[in-house]
This record gives sequence, C-alpha cells and structure tokens, in this order.
Amino acid sequence: EPEVTQTPSHQVTQMGQEVILRCVPISNHLYFYWYRQILGQKVEFLVSFYNNEISEKSEIFDDQFSVERPDGSNFTLKIRSTKLEDSAMYFCATKETGINYGYTFGSGTRLTVV
Amino acid sequence: GNSVTQMEGPVTLSEEAFLTINCTYTATGYPSLFWYVQYPGEGLQLLLKATKADDKGSNKGFEATYRKETTSFHLEKGSVQVSDSAVYFCASDDYKLSFGAGTTVTVRA
Repeated sequence: EPEVTQTPSHQVTQMGQEVILRCVPISNHLYFYWYRQILGQKVEFLVSFYNNEISEKSEIFDDQFSVERPDGSNFTLKIRSTKLEDSAMYFCATKETGINYGYTFGSGTRLTVV
Repeated sequence: GNSVTQMEGPVTLSEEAFLTINCTYTATGYPSLFWYVQYPGEGLQLLLKATKADDKGSNKGFEATYRKETTSFHLEKGSVQVSDSAVYFCASDDYKLSFGAGTTVTVRA
C-alpha cells in the first residue's frame, strides 16, 4: 500500500536554529498538508498546499514557517528560528480525490527544541 | 470553518466490553467524516470514513454512522480487545481535516 514517508523520525535542535522536515507524498496525490500534535494534545492543522502554492494556512503558520516542493517530489516544512513551544510531532498528509478519496498520514517527525 | 467535538476521555474498559465514543460536528454543509486511530508512539491511521448522510463506515469491528439529523458520527465496537487501546480522533473535512481533541481508550484484560 502506498505510504507517505517522513524524515527524520526524530529531530533535536537548539532554540533559534532552523529545521527542515521532509515528506515524500504518495506519487499521484495532489493535495499536501502539514499538521502538528503537541504531546498529549489534539492534532492541529498548519497548512495545505496544492498546485505548488499554499491554499490555506492556520494562525499557527506564521512567518517563521514555510513550505515548498523543491524538486517535484519532496514536500518540506521549514521552521526558520525554532522556539521551545515548537516541540511537537509534525505529520505530513496527502489527499487522494475520486473513488479512493481520503487522507493518508506519514508516521511523523518528533521535533524537540532544547 | 468546521469543528468537531468528541467525548472526553480517558475511557477504561474490560476486554469484550462495548465501546462507544461520541462525536458531533458543526459545518455549513455536509462534510465527509472520519475516525482515525493513534496507537502508542505511532502516527495516525484511518479507521473508517463516511462521505454522506446515512453512510456507515466500518473496519476491524468498529462502526460509525453519519447522522445528518443529529450532526453526529459516533464510533462503536461491540467487543473490544486489549489491542484496541489507543487514542481515537474524529475528524471532518472542510478542504482540510479538522480533528476533535481525541479520546484515550484503555482496554484491560
């Protein structure tokens, strides 16, 4: 079964450093998403991406965050200057439309900011 | 935008007990509805979905029926196992998934 692949599985970074979280979407999916889950809390929407541009973003997704699809396959989330409160699990998801409509999530990247 | 409210946990059950987790949604239209499950230390796995009113989603013994009249999508399982211990999330689709707060279920042998 096709998978959404996320790397790394765990990243530890110092406060103020930049991090890039990577996702390889399912190849024929066109809609991409990033979510985060602070430990023990709900899953929160960050941003959606379609046709090489952001289609929607949440209040969480401020100027410190950016997304891009640098090479037509990877889909990345960059946090420019990490804060302690950015520590969370970050999930990439893709959506398939049509008869197999649904969202598929990656296994996540656990980001720890120290 | 859409929002989802689900039953607060944690829920602790004995094996073979009946499980129900309530979920209600608010939306301007009729969004597709989902249940996702998160096992300890893992990501989000689709459990079941329903795309229109009166649809019943089912998987692994779990069921949920899309009730337009009550704007609900309650999750049920008739006989739980220890392996069903997990966090369950209800979600609605409004061009993105909006999740409920999650319900932690613990099944004891």
